[in-house]
Amino acid sequence: GENVEQHPSTLSVQEGDSAVIKCTYSDSASNYFPWYKQELGKRPQLIIDIRSNVGEKKDQRIAVTLNKTAKHFSLHITETQPEDSAVYFCAEGGGSNYKLTFGKGTLLTVNP
Amino acid sequence: DSGVTQTPKHLITATGQRVTLRCSPRSGDLSVYWYQQSLDQGLQFLIQYYNGEERAKGNILERFSAQQFPDLHSELNLSSLELGDSALYFCASSVGKLAGALGEQFFGPGTRLTVL
Repeated sequence: GENVEQHPSTLSVQEGDSAVIKCTYSDSASNYFPWYKQELGKRPQLIIDIRSNVGEKKDQRIAVTLNKTAKHFSLHITETQPEDSAVYFCAEGGGSNYKLTFGKGTLLTVNP
Repeated sequence: DSGVTQTPKHLITATGQRVTLRCSPRSGDLSVYWYQQSLDQGLQFLIQYYNGEERAKGNILERFSAQQFPDLHSELNLSSLELGDSALYFCASSVGKLAGALGEQFFGPGTRLTVL
């Protein structure tokens, strides 16, 4: 996977609203799609991931959907809270590729 | 705490100099990844090692090199430093057991390099 487009670059929502971040990729052989959350001044941490044999995965308020045909995947956060404010990165890799390629990140701000 | 350690935390040096960044992976992890994070470029993959051998290479400059030692710790060497090399350098580790089967990468706290 050599190219990952992530949108939007910034997202501001009110507490309790939903937030959606989308990524598109180019390598059809990619089979692993993680999402990382990076709070200010801290390390990136995995929040959810999905493999290409699954279309959707959910973990409490966080869900990820994958459309392999269209080569895009999305992060959905419901009932957002101020502590969800951070930069979120999508990434893709796997298949014949040992590395992860990251998107440029989305700065999510949840306003109380 | 991810279990991945990086030293030093901060590094300030001058252009033209050489520095070494060190990373110790989580216990049991055989794969080590190096990333560069700058404000306008996001997380850029540099290089990956698995059990002492180079496995994947990203956009790593020729002035940069890395290695993974028998005890699995890794070092990233940056030479002939330029102002543009100022960035946060992250190391991450994973089990990396199966070829091509990626899994969660655990990131260290990073080393902030400032080149003056």
